[in-house]
Order: sequence, then C-alpha cells, then structure tokens
Amino acid sequence: NAGVTQTPKFRVLKTGQSMTLLCAQDMNHEYMYWYRQDPGMGLRLIHYSVGEGTTAKGEVPDGYNVSRLKKQNFLLGLESAAPSQTSVYFCASSYSRVDEQYFGPGTRLTVT
Amino acid sequence: KQEVTQIPAALSVPEGENLVLNCSFTDSAIYNLQWFRQDPGKGLTSLLLIQSSQREQTSGRLNASLDKSSGRSTLYIAASQPGDSATYLCAVRSGVQGAQKLVFGQGTRLTINP
Repeated sequence: NAGVTQTPKFRVLKTGQSMTLLCAQDMNHEYMYWYRQDPGMGLRLIHYSVGEGTTAKGEVPDGYNVSRLKKQNFLLGLESAAPSQTSVYFCASSYSRVDEQYFGPGTRLTVT
Repeated sequence: KQEVTQIPAALSVPEGENLVLNCSFTDSAIYNLQWFRQDPGKGLTSLLLIQSSQREQTSGRLNASLDKSSGRSTLYIAASQPGDSATYLCAVRSGVQGAQKLVFGQGTRLTINP
C-alpha cells in the first residue's frame, strides 16, 4: 500500500514550457486535491475532484488545468509555465469530504 | 472568509517537556479540524482529525482538543522527544456544501533540544 505518490519529485522549467504532474493513490479514495505551498502563504488549494471524471476549481486555479480520467489518478497541468508558479506542489486524497486527507511527498517545481 | 492562525510561529523547548500548540480560526462553522506534521522537504503526515461534534482526539502522546464556539484548537504533546521536531500545521474544513475546502494555518515550527 503506497498511499499517495507523486511524479516527478523535482523539475526545472523555462518560462512558457508546459508539463504535467501525476498523482496516484491506491486507497480507493473518491476525493483528490492539488495544493501549492509557498513561504509565507501556507498551503492553498488549486483544484480538486470529488470523483472520477469530475474536477472543480479551488482557491488559486489560474494557469493550471486538471484531469481525473481514472479514479486513482489526478493530473495537474501547466500549459505555459511562469516564474510565479515556482512552488512545492502537493497532492492529497480522502475517502469522503469529511475524512482526513492523506498527502503525497510533493513535487518541487522551479520556473526560470 | 475562513482564516486560520497558529501562534507561535516557532517554539523551542528542552526534551521531556509537555507542550501545547495553538490554532485559532475565524468562522466557527467548520466540519472538522485536522492536525498535520511536516518534516523539512517532506509531505504532510496526518496526526489527528477532530470532527465538529467531537471535543478531543488522542493518539499516543498527542491530544488535540476542539472548542468550536471560541474558534480554537490545541495540540498537546506529552514528554516531547527530539524526533518530534517538525512543523505542525492545523487545517479546518469549512464552506458551503459542494465547495468545502481545507484552510491551513501557517504552522508552528517546533524544535526539541536534547
């Protein structure tokens, strides 16, 4: 039981490049989330999903897109990376909206 | 808008002491509150989850309390150990149905000195 895994762990992008972060969970959770963590800003919700095939905007969705084609996977895409998207990205999942959230190890992204 | 505050931002205590970390939130209409631990460069590890109907939860040397009416939660750590050194985050789940989210505090960086 691996829990929540994220790939890649580190990535450096140039401004304007695109990339996709992959989150996978093996706990059969319905809900999945993408957060970013920045110094002084704490953790902020980017997008979330309440089940396979669904997505919804969080607090800071601009510049990101997501997809949940399979229940166990939640993808976060950056179409045209900007330096402001330099951050640590965390994926999380939960069984329901009131259950505890389990977090992945994070992806450190630098955009130059 | 829900806001979560954790004071102090940093705390350093000698090994063996009992300590309390504080978390306050502005909107008492919450569904639950979760305490996490984050080690440097790592993800978040869930420590305790308190539902809005509960007053406290315990796990080993950790005890978390919740007072919704006053907008406060505390995390009590008994007999602290150097391995407890980490950043502790609290997060509250609130919002209208279908738009609920976790709102995080900035965290308390705890250092336990041997």
